[in-house]
Amino acid sequence: DVKVTQSSRYLVKRTGEKVFLECVQDMDHENMFWYRQDPGLGLRLIYFSYDVKMKEKGDIPEGYSVSREKKERFSLILESASTNQTSMYLCASRLDRTGTEAFFGQGTRLTVV
Amino acid sequence: AQKITQTQPGMFVQEKEAVTLDCTYDTSDPSYGLFWYKQPSSGEMIFLIYQGSYDQQNATEGRYSLNFQKARKSANLVISASQLGDSAMYFCAMREGNQGGKLIFGQGTELSVKP
Repeated sequence: DVKVTQSSRYLVKRTGEKVFLECVQDMDHENMFWYRQDPGLGLRLIYFSYDVKMKEKGDIPEGYSVSREKKERFSLILESASTNQTSMYLCASRLDRTGTEAFFGQGTRLTVV
Repeated sequence: AQKITQTQPGMFVQEKEAVTLDCTYDTSDPSYGLFWYKQPSSGEMIFLIYQGSYDQQNATEGRYSLNFQKARKSANLVISASQLGDSAMYFCAMREGNQGGKLIFGQGTELSVKP
């Protein structure tokens, strides 16, 4: 079974802190995604990566950056956390750009105070 | 502009009845894929069904079927014989071929199944 693991289930950070959300997949997938989920807005794509060291902006990249130095790991970075970044963050991976299923991690609920 | 639209924030259905969840999409790419995911209250995202833009037949997976109307750009999910365990959020998603496989989601529909 594909496993996508996010490093934390719950996280509380202070405004202005640099925050790292980590995601690891164990199936040699090429594509990885970061979303944030907010009530009424669904899942909004922040960044995605189609290969190591390759990244593309999603629909809401402002205030975020990503890193993919190794194929199995995709990190989301909040350079200076703000309260409007309080949200549920979901990581997903997919075999490749033609894959028919993306597999999701359990989510990280981030609260910025 | 919203590329995936789910216009039903919430829906109710009686147990054992069928229900249709609406999804419309917007793309100029001839090659795309459409997905439905279920998210129960536990928060996990469960893949339900996939339809490719070139697929001739509507996709079916058990009690789930995807009513794909290409000309209308709609990809509605039909759940037959609803069960209490079907109560969850349902998300429609699209992958566009010319966007490097970018996967985008709609706003979601919360389905409640009544006994």
